[in-house]
Amino acid sequence: SQQGEEDPQALSIQEGENATMNCSYKTSINNLQWYRQNSGRGLVHLILIRSNEREKHSGRLRVTLDTSKKSSSLLITASRAADTASYFCATSSGGSYIPTFGRGTSLIVHP
Amino acid sequence: NAGVTQTPKFQVLKTGQSMTLQCAQDMNHNSMYWYRQDPGMGLRLIYYSASEGTTDKGEVPNGYNVSRLNKREFSLRLESAAPSQTSVYFCASLPTGAGQPQHFGDGTRLSIL
Repeated sequence: SQQGEEDPQALSIQEGENATMNCSYKTSINNLQWYRQNSGRGLVHLILIRSNEREKHSGRLRVTLDTSKKSSSLLITASRAADTASYFCATSSGGSYIPTFGRGTSLIVHP
Repeated sequence: NAGVTQTPKFQVLKTGQSMTLQCAQDMNHNSMYWYRQDPGMGLRLIYYSASEGTTDKGEVPNGYNVSRLNKREFSLRLESAAPSQTSVYFCASLPTGAGQPQHFGDGTRLSIL
């Protein structure tokens, strides 16, 4: 069963625009991770945010975590065509270090 | 540095045939995982191995078996393939320590006719 659920399921934007995708989860977490999957490839880790953190940055990526709302957002600024991919959130809870993945957001960036 | 390597990349089977999917990692990670990815379903955990010599069931283990051959290799076997097992299979590994990211292979695309 999915712990995290991404929203929207699909997002289509123009190059240069910002892309925001959200992840909601049901139970308390230890950490939340975002992964990217290019077509025909495996998942690649982007960023991890721990439950006691509220915001993290990595290059053009900004992740926020609101534990009171059980939600996280991934912002990609100044998007590029190469950002076209599916993005997944994954949560780890309780004593388990094994992440549970959501269904993903499909992002298309038009040149 | 190859990371996580999966073989084969593509395979077509007939219903009832058996097959073993291979996975190897060269990062000295203790934990290894097998997932399946179906359209609209995200990744679902089939089996995992927390360390060499141990294996445990995940969310969807029925119809599969696994073997942790050594620290590097973790194989997934379909004894009698069914059309419902048509999917993309991903292997992943994870280093020891809290809050570490998983490293994924590029997947095996399996079709069962």
